[in-house]
Amino acid sequence: QKEVEQNSGPLSVPEGAIASLNCTYSDRVSQSFFWYRQYSGKSPELIMSIYSNGDKEDGRFTAQLNKASQYVSLLIRDSQPSDSATYLCAVKRNKLVFGAGTILRVKS
Amino acid sequence: GAVVSQHPSRVICKSGTSVKIECRSLDFQATTMFWYRQFPKQSLMLMATSNEGSKATYEQGVEKDKFLINHASLTLSTLTVTSAHPEDSSFYICSAQGAGATDTQYFGPGTRLTVL
Repeated sequence: QKEVEQNSGPLSVPEGAIASLNCTYSDRVSQSFFWYRQYSGKSPELIMSIYSNGDKEDGRFTAQLNKASQYVSLLIRDSQPSDSATYLCAVKRNKLVFGAGTILRVKS
Repeated sequence: GAVVSQHPSRVICKSGTSVKIECRSLDFQATTMFWYRQFPKQSLMLMATSNEGSKATYEQGVEKDKFLINHASLTLSTLTVTSAHPEDSSFYICSAQGAGATDTQYFGPGTRLTVL
């Protein structure tokens, strides 16, 4: 079992729709959770961090964490073509472990 | 704030040569720096963790004598790929973490290494 699992996609959504990205993790004592966005050929860019159960909102982005289910998600509202990228879920206990990423395509 | 730079952004070298990559935190002091490698269509894999003034801690399977890491100051870490071979061609990315309560890592722009 991979430590951090994501559906590779691609996830295609129309412009203006809500994109929902999901991630599960195996280490139950993980403490910190992050979502990064990575454009092709570029390094990851931090979008959100979340540490406690529930929702955390920042602009068009909402991160959701459920530690009991070992599940973290990212919602992107009013999706734009510029949101098209690979989204990496990362989980930290002693070190940051990345999932393989989900490719998101927003069609105009 | 929290800007991390890397140099060079792209390097092409011949097999057998050594390549040095610099990672700098521009507006904060990085107590810990991390080096990752990313092959095409794969996720980031942690190679090593370095703390300023200490020896780096390497992940399992990463050769410490091949990938030399130096973290001489709170704003600079270097990765030297010694005797590079074509299989070392990859995207190398550093990240930096400052002191304090936050454990957020900020990533540099990456270095694309191509070994001929």
